[in-house]
Amino acid sequence: DAGVIQSPRHEVTEMGQEVTLRCKPISGHNSLFWYRQTMMRGLELLIYFNNNVPIDDSGMPEDRFSAKMPNASFSTLKIQPSEPRDSAVYFCASSPETGGQYFGAGTRLSVL
Amino acid sequence: QKEVEQDPGPLSVPEGAIVSLNCTYSNSAFQYFMWYRQYSRKGPELLMYTYSSGNKEDGRFTAQVDKSSKYISLFIRDSQPSDSATYLCAMSAMNRDDKIIFGKGTRLHILP
Repeated sequence: DAGVIQSPRHEVTEMGQEVTLRCKPISGHNSLFWYRQTMMRGLELLIYFNNNVPIDDSGMPEDRFSAKMPNASFSTLKIQPSEPRDSAVYFCASSPETGGQYFGAGTRLSVL
Repeated sequence: QKEVEQDPGPLSVPEGAIVSLNCTYSNSAFQYFMWYRQYSRKGPELLMYTYSSGNKEDGRFTAQVDKSSKYISLFIRDSQPSDSATYLCAMSAMNRDDKIIFGKGTRLHILP
């Protein structure tokens, strides 16, 4: 199994631009999580999907952030417009019915 | 007081030494305790999982939970350079992946 696949691995953009991060979960997993990791705040859950349905988006920092999961094999996290304080590593993780999260390698986002 | 506190390190120890990593927490409802290992430029991976108090051993790794003191530990015996990574403690009051609270991680360097 290839594991959770995230793209791009690195993204550098200018303030005000739209950023789209992509995630392909492990086949057969029914839960998907988007996290953000910074030195100051550590690893924070942004949003959680179960069977492609958003269950809890209370961690999404503001309306500039949105996430979708159109099918079981794909999810996106979009930031529009991006700001320098959004610079962080964004992780996607998926989980089977039995539990236990499997993380992707992350997308390192730099907003200039 | 933060829910989960973890010394960021870095912690440098010689190869072969016993390593002790620790976290304290404030929420007495936490019952599920985890340790994740995160290599540089990678996502976290689950290392150890324990429920309630007590010890759990897996090879060179031992996880210890003291709920009365709200204190958890991870011990690594016969440490190897390949153990160099950031170790994140994590905990939850429920057996649900979307309710996990992560520590910020301790950076560990094993010196050859």
